[in-house]
Amino acid sequence: DIQMTQSPSSLSASVGDRVTITCRASQGISNNLAWFQQKPGKAPRSLISAASSLQSGVPSKFSGSGSGTDFTLTISSLQPEDFATYYCHQYNAYPLTFGGGTKVEIK
Amino acid sequence: EEQLLESGGGLVQPGGSLRLSCAASGFTFGSNTMKWVRQAPGKGLEWVSSISGSGGNTYYADSVKGRFTISRDNSKNTLYLQMDSLRAEDTAVYFCASPSRMGYWGQGTLVTVSS
Repeated sequence: DIQMTQSPSSLSASVGDRVTITCRASQGISNNLAWFQQKPGKAPRSLISAASSLQSGVPSKFSGSGSGTDFTLTISSLQPEDFATYYCHQYNAYPLTFGGGTKVEIK
Repeated sequence: EEQLLESGGGLVQPGGSLRLSCAASGFTFGSNTMKWVRQAPGKGLEWVSSISGSGGNTYYADSVKGRFTISRDNSKNTLYLQMDSLRAEDTAVYFCASPSRMGYWGQGTLVTVSS
């Protein structure tokens, strides 16, 4: 199974900060990686697929990069609505797997 | 507008069964692999099962293999998850989702396994 390791597991940041979350796969997954945002009690919201392709309607402050085993999600200027938990997800091979999540909290 | 709407969750005793449904609209359902993902209370996301567009290929997490069955009816644009021999650890919100490149998720349906 492909293990997805996200870091950090949580972070505190201020409005306007640039935030970077990393995700490492235990083996190469090409660019078959997605990022999701989830707020309490809500369904996940798809932000990025294919490692760097922004989903329709997602603001350009979100960006993704990487290929192979190392990936990043960057939020260029954190806004109040961005405080949430973020997950990476590999869909290169079954079983599909998710990272453990990164909770972004207000400093 | 693309939409996925789950139903069928509820309270069930250990060893019992439930059938979840996911009604899709607004996109070409029959052409796409679909999946079920669950989230236990206070925990992260866990993939449960996937099914190819034709229904000919199915995939399961080890934790549910032999107990859950995924299926689809493309004439009804509906995805199913038959859950048998339910355990307390199956308690979770169950989401249906489209391929990641499309990014559609349902709102989820809560399954509680408890006596």
